[in-house]
Amino acid sequence: KAGVTQTPRYLIKTRGQQVTLSCSPISGHRSVSWYQQTPGQGLQFLFEYFSETQRNKGNFPGRFSGRQFSNSRSEMNVSTLELGDSALYLCASSPHTGGGNTIYFGEGSWLTVV
Amino acid sequence: GQQLNQSPQSMFIQEGEDVSMNCTSSSIFNTWLWYKQDPGEGPVLLIALYKAGELTSNGRLTAQFGITRKDSFLNISASIPSDVGIYFCAGHPNDYKLSFGAGTTVTVRA
Repeated sequence: KAGVTQTPRYLIKTRGQQVTLSCSPISGHRSVSWYQQTPGQGLQFLFEYFSETQRNKGNFPGRFSGRQFSNSRSEMNVSTLELGDSALYLCASSPHTGGGNTIYFGEGSWLTVV
Repeated sequence: GQQLNQSPQSMFIQEGEDVSMNCTSSSIFNTWLWYKQDPGEGPVLLIALYKAGELTSNGRLTAQFGITRKDSFLNISASIPSDVGIYFCAGHPNDYKLSFGAGTTVTVRA
C-alpha cells in the first residue's frame, strides 16, 4: 500500500509569491491534516480536512488555506509568502477523523522563502 | 491542540543501552502515538496505543498507554546507532486535534 505522497519535495520561492503544495493520502484514508514544522516551533497544526470539509483549523493567518478533493487528495496554499514561512510542511492521512485514529505522515515539502 | 510535556528533551545513548522517554498531559487522551523522525524526513509511526494500560511492542521498542490515560512511555532496548533521531509522542484528547510533544532528540554518545 503506497504511503502518503507529498509534492513537491523541495522548493524555493521569493517573498510575496504564493505556493501550492499537494498531498495524496493513503488509499482509503479520508482525513488529511497539514502541519508546519520549524526548529523553533516544532510541529504546528494548520488544518484538517475530512470528506472535503475543513474540520479543524490551527492558529495561522488567512494566508494559509487548503482544500480537499473528492478523491481525498488535498492541497494547501500559502499566499504572499514571508521569510518566516520557510519550513517543512507535513501532510498526514488517517482513515477517519477524531480519536482512536492512526495517523501517517508523508515525507514533507521543504519550502524555502528568500 | 494542547501541548504535551515530553521528556527528556535530549539524551545520549551508548550502543547496547536501554533508553526511555515519556509524555504527560493534563487531560485524558484516547489515543497515544509514537513517531521517529530522521533529519529531512517526515515522522514515521512506530507504535499506536488505543486503550489505557495497553503495552505494545514493535521489535526493540515498547510503549505503554498509562492507566490514568494522561501519560505514555516509550522504551528502546539494546539501542543501536540507527536509533538516533527525534522521537515524538502525539495524542488525541476528546476533540479532533492531534497534540504533539516537543520531541526527544536521541544522539549517540561519543
